[in-house]
Amino acid sequence: DAKTTQPNSMESNEEEPVHLPCNHSTISGTDYIHWYRQLPSQGPEYVIHGLTSNVNNRMASLAIAEDRKSSTLILHRATLRDAAVYYCIQLTSWAGSYQLTFGKGTKLSVIP
Amino acid sequence: GAGVSQTPSNKVTEKGKYVELRCDPISGHTALYWYRQSLGQGPEFLIYFQGTGAADDSGLPNDRFFAVRPEGSVSTLKIQRTERGDSAVYLCASSSEVRGSEAFFGQGTRLTVV
Repeated sequence: DAKTTQPNSMESNEEEPVHLPCNHSTISGTDYIHWYRQLPSQGPEYVIHGLTSNVNNRMASLAIAEDRKSSTLILHRATLRDAAVYYCIQLTSWAGSYQLTFGKGTKLSVIP
Repeated sequence: GAGVSQTPSNKVTEKGKYVELRCDPISGHTALYWYRQSLGQGPEFLIYFQGTGAADDSGLPNDRFFAVRPEGSVSTLKIQRTERGDSAVYLCASSSEVRGSEAFFGQGTRLTVV
C-alpha cells in the first residue's frame, strides 16, 4: 500500500506557482521522497527527489518539512504541459529492493 | 540516448492465451522494474530485477505471471492463461544501481484480453 497521502485533484492558473502537498507520516530516516508525474497516455516521468534538505532542479523544487513527515512539490510557473497526475512516493529499501509504491496521486489541471 | 523501450505497444489476445511483453532498458542500468496500471489507478509494482536475478517478486499477483532477465539487460514478462482481469497497461522502468536514483519508464504495453 502507498505510504503517502495526497489530494485527489488540484487546479492552477497558467503561469502561476503551484504547491502540491504530500503527507508521509511513517517515513523513516533512510527513506527518500520521490515525485513522478504522468501525462495522459505516457509512462511516469521523474520530477525530483530528496532525503532531508530542500532540492531544486530545472523542473521543480521540493520542500521537505523539518520532521520529514510532509513535503511540497513546487512548480514555479505552471504551463499547460504541466497538466498531469503527480505522484509522491516514499522510497523504502526492503531486502535490497527499492520499489516505488505509487498511490493515486494528485491530478493537476492547469487553466489557461 | 535511447530510453526504455517496450514492445509491443498494444496487444490484444483471447482469454486463455499466453502472452509475452518485452522491455529494453537503458544501457548500463542494472535495476529493472515491471509495473501494471489499471484505468484511473497509479502503477502497481510487480517485480524488481537487480542484474539477472529477481530481487523482489512480491508484487506478482499469482503463478500465471513470470518474468525473466537472462543476460541482465532485456526482460520479458510472461502471462499464462490470460484472463480479462489482466487487461491493463504494463510498464517497465530501469535505473542505475545508485540507491534513490531516478527510474526511467517506458511508454508501456497496453494489454487487452477479450
